[in-house]
Amino acid sequence: SQKIEQNSEALNIQEGKTATLTCNYTNYSPAYLQWYRQDPGRGPVFLLLIRENEKEKRKERLKVTFDTTLKQSLFHITASQPADSATYLCALDMSNTGKLIFGQGTTLQVKP
Amino acid sequence: AAGVIQSPRHLIKEKRETATLKCYPIPRHDTVYWYQQGPGQDPQFLISFYEKMQSDKGSIPDRFSAQQFSDYHSELNMSSLELGDSALYFCASSLRTERNSPLHFGNGTRLTVT
Repeated sequence: SQKIEQNSEALNIQEGKTATLTCNYTNYSPAYLQWYRQDPGRGPVFLLLIRENEKEKRKERLKVTFDTTLKQSLFHITASQPADSATYLCALDMSNTGKLIFGQGTTLQVKP
Repeated sequence: AAGVIQSPRHLIKEKRETATLKCYPIPRHDTVYWYQQGPGQDPQFLISFYEKMQSDKGSIPDRFSAQQFSDYHSELNMSSLELGDSALYFCASSLRTERNSPLHFGNGTRLTVT
């Protein structure tokens, strides 16, 4: 079955540095991959989508890469700010019906 | 812009009771999804509806049922509640015709079973 793995340990970085989060998956070749941000007690919020034929996608301080050979996506936040502190989830649509399977998320803490 | 609205925000029930959670999707969105998120866990897909018909089913217990109504709002009915049902329940909506459309989540209903 499909397995999605994200860094289970929290990532602590200093304000201004670049945060890099990893998402690895097995047993599937998704057409696209999505990244969400979730704050405590709130619903996930969509950030970025990257398709299998795209190597990289950018949106303001966010950058996502997608390596279908390695079965891995990297999520970067440049010039990080304390307000970026949250849990970041990667998600795959295995059936092209919109049903997303989520990774367990990586909690990012940006210290001032 | 209008977002996904869920009610109630918090719900406390006792074991063996019944609960009904409601979801109002973003206007014009044709697909609704229900997810369950336990403490420290990732959201787990329960069930989805497209144009008021069930389109996909995940790890939803037989004690739970859901439907989507003519006005596109959806309800998740949970019976014979167990302590393990305590979780955050999220509803999300999307527009299927929008290619690779992201899901728009509500802020969830926190269900506590005592």
